[in-house]
Amino acid sequence: NAGVTQTPKFQVLKTGQSMTLQCAQDMNHNSMYWYRQDPGMGLRLIYYSASEGTTDKGEVPNGYNVSRLNKREFSLRLESAAPSQTSVYFCASSPWTSGETDTQYFGPGTRLTVL
Amino acid sequence: QQQVKQSPQSLIVQKGGISIINCAYENTAFDYFPWYQQFPGKGPALLIAIRPDVSEKKEGRFTISFNKSAKQFSLHIMDSQPGDSATYFCAAKVGFQKLVFGTGTRLLVSP
Repeated sequence: NAGVTQTPKFQVLKTGQSMTLQCAQDMNHNSMYWYRQDPGMGLRLIYYSASEGTTDKGEVPNGYNVSRLNKREFSLRLESAAPSQTSVYFCASSPWTSGETDTQYFGPGTRLTVL
Repeated sequence: QQQVKQSPQSLIVQKGGISIINCAYENTAFDYFPWYQQFPGKGPALLIAIRPDVSEKKEGRFTISFNKSAKQFSLHIMDSQPGDSATYFCAAKVGFQKLVFGTGTRLLVSP
């Protein structure tokens, strides 16, 4: 089991460029999430997908779009990158059926710099 | 109301000492309170979690103390080791399937 995988690990963009961050999980989890992590800000939810076929906005969705391609894959797209989107991006997944399965499992992150 | 306030921002503890990290919340609808541990260059990983019907949960050297009336919960790391040096995040579950995270505490355990 690879768990949650993210590509790429590092990326440098120029302002205005677009890119897609890829995430996949092999744990047959229902729910998937995209977070950004900035110094002193903790982890902030960008978008999430409760189940295949659904997506919802989180705390900081502006400037981002997502696609839940299938149960395994959840991508995050920056249509026109801005320096304020420089951050470390984490994808997570969760079985989230009930009770003790509230745990979220995180990928290794993508470090994005927008110049 | 959706915030979780975490303190301190950073903490230095000697090996063998007790590390204590505190979190406070306002939303009484929160029903699940996990702590995540993150090493440099890695994603966060669940360390220990508690539900509000329990006042304390212990797993090895890690203990969560939960005070429902004060709307506070804390992580205690007993006999702290250099390998515990990491960033710790408290969180709370709000609504269906979403977590709200604290701002993180960077712990350094000196040898």
